[in-house]
Amino acid sequence: GQNIDQPTEMTATEGAIVQINCTYQTSGFNGLFWYQQHAGEAPTFLSYNVLDGLEEKGRFSSFLSRSKGYSYLLLKELQMKDSASYLCAPGGSYIPTFGRGTSLIVHP
Amino acid sequence: GAVVSQHPSRVICKSGTSVKIECRSLDFQATTMFWYRQFPKQSLMLMATSNEGSKATYEQGVEKDKFLINHASLTLSTLTVTSAHPEDSSFYICSARDLGEETQYFGPGTRLLVL
Repeated sequence: GQNIDQPTEMTATEGAIVQINCTYQTSGFNGLFWYQQHAGEAPTFLSYNVLDGLEEKGRFSSFLSRSKGYSYLLLKELQMKDSASYLCAPGGSYIPTFGRGTSLIVHP
Repeated sequence: GAVVSQHPSRVICKSGTSVKIECRSLDFQATTMFWYRQFPKQSLMLMATSNEGSKATYEQGVEKDKFLINHASLTLSTLTVTSAHPEDSSFYICSARDLGEETQYFGPGTRLLVL
């Protein structure tokens, strides 16, 4: 099975940087996904980390430590439109499971 | 990137009727499709996993006779909510995954309201 832990809610100021942490315990781990979900919409794919380290993609970066069962999503230069839920999802098991997600609120 | 469509995007029906939701992968062959349900302010809950040409695998607590899943081709899976009741009102989202790939691509979701 899978056990995923990430904060329920975070708030940040427009233009700032925020880091959303995720710890997980899972069997058959191959990599870790991050998805973004705006209220009332379906999730959209953000990143997939297979190897340890930081991968940067524009304003968003994702980090993975396989030995520690730890990942984070780093959002820079926050914009109001970044207000959404961010879902951490370990990949590799046949049956995917998503955490409850972290609700990020960006305020002016 | 891969595109997954869902139809309809929104449906309102009377209690007791059946509703069919279609999920299509537009630019890749989806050997596996997943059906999720999400209630307001709740996490995504996996309902079933659908593999092309075989019976769907349902999660515990999901009634297979109520939520009929058909995955007849590599680009189409359907979910039929039979004899829908108000408690079935929810946001239904499908996702698709290509053979050998791990990334799931989500459809835009179908919002079902049963009166």
